[in-house]
Amino acid sequence: GAGVSQSPSNKVTEKGKDVELRCDPISGHTALYWYRQSLGQGLEFLIYFQGNSAPDKSGLPSDRFSAERTGGSVSTLTIQRTQQEDSAVYLCASSLGGSYNQPQHFGDGTRLSIL
Amino acid sequence: DAKTTQPNSMESNEEEPVHLPCNHSTISGTDYIHWYRQLPSQGPEYVIHGLTSNVNNRMASLAIAEDRKSSTLILHRATLRDAAVYYCILWKYGNKLVFGAGTILRVKS
Repeated sequence: GAGVSQSPSNKVTEKGKDVELRCDPISGHTALYWYRQSLGQGLEFLIYFQGNSAPDKSGLPSDRFSAERTGGSVSTLTIQRTQQEDSAVYLCASSLGGSYNQPQHFGDGTRLSIL
Repeated sequence: DAKTTQPNSMESNEEEPVHLPCNHSTISGTDYIHWYRQLPSQGPEYVIHGLTSNVNNRMASLAIAEDRKSSTLILHRATLRDAAVYYCILWKYGNKLVFGAGTILRVKS
């Protein structure tokens, strides 16, 4: 079956521009997560959506970062006024529920490069 | 939050078993032990998880110590495609996986 799909796979943009990254979770998965992985670093949690509940935004590094999830499915991560330190791979994951007994399924990420 | 400790790297020969250790001495009773792996240029891939009992699936086995302060991921016959970074994670509460540095597994042919 189809896994988690992310687009674009690569994005190069100039410092100061806004970018939007898209995630299509596995159909029927109610939980959706965003992480980022900087070069040579581990994965860092950004935000979590579960059904109609208010998202957990505790990992967003600044107010330049925002995310929404429309209709309980597709999610968009937006970074405004990008800076060079935003360069990273942004990963999306989904799971059947928000329980820690449910594995997360990851996409292959969007590689974002800020010039 | 409870932490995990893994070796930085390990090496194995192809078609031999691999035992990847993880220490989690501050684990609490409701922490699930999850293992993920990440191949180059890919997102992490779920491998296995467990709470108290040993677990088996088509990819691997998870052996959990009786006191739950350590666990071992077992790949029964390593292949070149198993070369990856393996992450041992305690998923306690809340909604996020907290990834450490993981173990880089190299498989020699």
